Amino acid sequence: QSALTQPASVSGSPGQSITISCTGTSSDVGGYNYVSWYQQHPGKAPKLMIYEVSNRPSGVSNRFSGSKSGNTASLTISGLQAEDEADYYCSSFTGTITWVFGGGTKLTVL
Amino acid sequence: QLQLQESGPGLVKPSETVSLTCTVSGGSVSSGTHYWTWIRQPPGKGLEWIGYVYDTGSTNYNPSLKSRVTISLDTSKNQFSLKLRSVTAADTALYYCARGLAATSFDYWGQGTLVTVSS
Repeated sequence: QSALTQPASVSGSPGQSITISCTGTSSDVGGYNYVSWYQQHPGKAPKLMIYEVSNRPSGVSNRFSGSKSGNTASLTISGLQAEDEADYYCSSFTGTITWVFGGGTKLTVL
Repeated sequence: QLQLQESGPGLVKPSETVSLTCTVSGGSVSSGTHYWTWIRQPPGKGLEWIGYVYDTGSTNYNPSLKSRVTISLDTSKNQFSLKLRSVTAADTALYYCARGLAATSFDYWGQGTLVTVSS
C-alpha cells in the first residue's frame, strides 16, 4: 500500500487559482470514485473539503472543487485567499477495504 | 453535532504497548455504515491510515502495521480503542480518531493525542 503522490508545495497569489494533483493507481484513485481532500492548518485536525471526487460538504466554500482523470485526482482552489494557506491531503479508498493518503501539499499564498 | 475525543498516556517506553481511546459524543458508534478509524501523523510529516472498526465489530488494518495493531469497539461506553504493540521511536506521532462515512471520506475528526515513544 503506497502513499498517493502529491507535489510537496504549490503557491499562488490572492485571487488566482491553483491545482493540486494526487496520483495513485488503478487499485485506488483510478478504481473508485472515493477520493477525498482534507485541509489542515498548523496545530489543527484535518478538515474534509471534498468527498467522492467532486462533492463539497455543507459549509465548504464553492471556491474548492475536485475532479479526476484516470489515476490522478485534482483539487482546484479558485480566488485564492490568505486563509487558504494550509497543508492539503488527498485520500482514496482501495480495493482491500483500506484507505491511503497522499504525502501532503503545502499551499503558500504569496 | 458529533464530537470525537482521543485520550491516552502521552509517553510510552520502547517495546511497550500503547492504548488509546476515542470517546464519541453526539451520536452512537453502533448506528449506520460507519468506519471508526485511527489515523496518525508523525511530527512534521503526512497522514497515515492505521485501521478501522466497523459498527458491526469487523476490522481492517494498514498492512504495514497489521501485525501490531488491534482496534476494538465498546458500544456500552460509546468508545473505540487502538492498541499498538512493540512500539519504537518511529511510532511517535499525533494520533487522530475519525469517523469514516461509508467508503467516501472521514467527516469528523478528534483533536488528536500526541504519543511519544522514549525511554
